[in-house]
Amino acid sequence: QVQLVESGGGVVQPGGSLRLSCAASGFTFSNNGMHWVRQAPGKGLEWVAFIQYDGSEKYYADSVKGRFTISRDISKNTLYLQMNILRAEDTGIYYCAKDAPVCHYWGQGTLVTVSS
Amino acid sequence: DIQMTQSPSTLSASVGDRVTITCRASQSISNWLAWYQQKPGKAPKLLIYEASNLESGVPSRFSGSGSGTEFTLTISSLQPDDFATYYCQQYNIYSWTFGQGTKVEIK
Repeated sequence: QVQLVESGGGVVQPGGSLRLSCAASGFTFSNNGMHWVRQAPGKGLEWVAFIQYDGSEKYYADSVKGRFTISRDISKNTLYLQMNILRAEDTGIYYCAKDAPVCHYWGQGTLVTVSS
Repeated sequence: DIQMTQSPSTLSASVGDRVTITCRASQSISNWLAWYQQKPGKAPKLLIYEASNLESGVPSRFSGSGSGTEFTLTISSLQPDDFATYYCQQYNIYSWTFGQGTKVEIK
């Protein structure tokens, strides 16, 4: 069955960097577009980034454009989110999700806390 | 950017009630709309895609309708497992936006 397992979250100071990973299994990773979606504590869902099945196209929310980079390693069946110049408002749970355009499957999320 | 507005923000209902949640888009999105259910501490779960298509395994008491800028999610007979927060999401030309959510509470 489809499994998406996020990792890499933690506590980081404002201005710092963090790289999230999402290990995929149970499906052909190279055939599917992938998303990152986040949720601030007690708040709603916010779409962050999307990468095409072959990595050829990437799209970002305005709030993270220029600071975050989505990528994928087909050989490792892993999705990444490189987050730079982190701000307090980037705090939240980060989910990876499978499929395009709709998110049919979601991981359980990894918590990122940006605080001094 | 396309904005999504859900109403109401909170809804109090009883088991067996018919429940309707509305989602409005700031511009036409055809039928590129999905609905998700989220329970506390859990990841969202897809219920409906392309406005009215029921995701596999989702109970038939859930239904979606609408096109253009106005959409609805209906639960025909609310069950105890349905108390949760519901989000609409538009997907249009490589841009995705969620509504702010509707919390369905026990009356």
